[in-house]
Amino acid sequence: GAGVSQSPSNKVTEKGKDVELRCDPISGHTALYWYRQRLGQGLEFLIYFQGNSAPDKSGLPSDRFSAERTGESVSTLTIQRTQQEDSAVYLCASSLKAGVSNEQFFGPGTRLTVL
Amino acid sequence: KQEVTQIPAALSVPEGENLVLNCSFTDSAIYNLQWFRQDPGKGLTSLLLIQSSQREQTSGRLNASLDKSSGRSTLYIAASQPGDSATYLCAVNTGTYKYIFGTGTRLKVLA
Repeated sequence: GAGVSQSPSNKVTEKGKDVELRCDPISGHTALYWYRQRLGQGLEFLIYFQGNSAPDKSGLPSDRFSAERTGESVSTLTIQRTQQEDSAVYLCASSLKAGVSNEQFFGPGTRLTVL
Repeated sequence: KQEVTQIPAALSVPEGENLVLNCSFTDSAIYNLQWFRQDPGKGLTSLLLIQSSQREQTSGRLNASLDKSSGRSTLYIAASQPGDSATYLCAVNTGTYKYIFGTGTRLKVLA
């Protein structure tokens, strides 16, 4: 596809359930990033991948959050035992490679609501 | 710790008006600054990327300036249109792969 795609676009879940969010980056982009946007707040960096490796997981809020990437393509962000404070828009971005000069292109996001 | 602030938080202007959105950052040691547009329910669209060595970038009716020493950037929108209504975000890259974002300015252009 022409841009970064994410699925689902919306997800409503009950507290305590696990959820999986998917990101398909732009073809050929080796770097992939996950951000979280809580209501009324700026985007928070969660994790990034260079290829299939995640050199920096420092932004993950807790050990309930994990992410993986396969085939240097699709990535999945998993949240276990969801809490209400996990409600946010989760945005994925990709760039040709990780680095300061590489522009990041963002997907439409997944809006997660935890009841 | 780098912090990014955007003022105003919200702005309403009549169609046709020229306007300026402000972005300030606390640490001047940045590599680049990027302005994004976010429409409701949609992702971020990159508008302009300014490298630290640049003073400004222009695209159509948009002009972004960067003053690293004072920790400021402005986004100038000329002849605003209702279609410009969106949230505008600025983000700085401090030498890593991740951006630090401001909380945005919600712009509404009235027809």
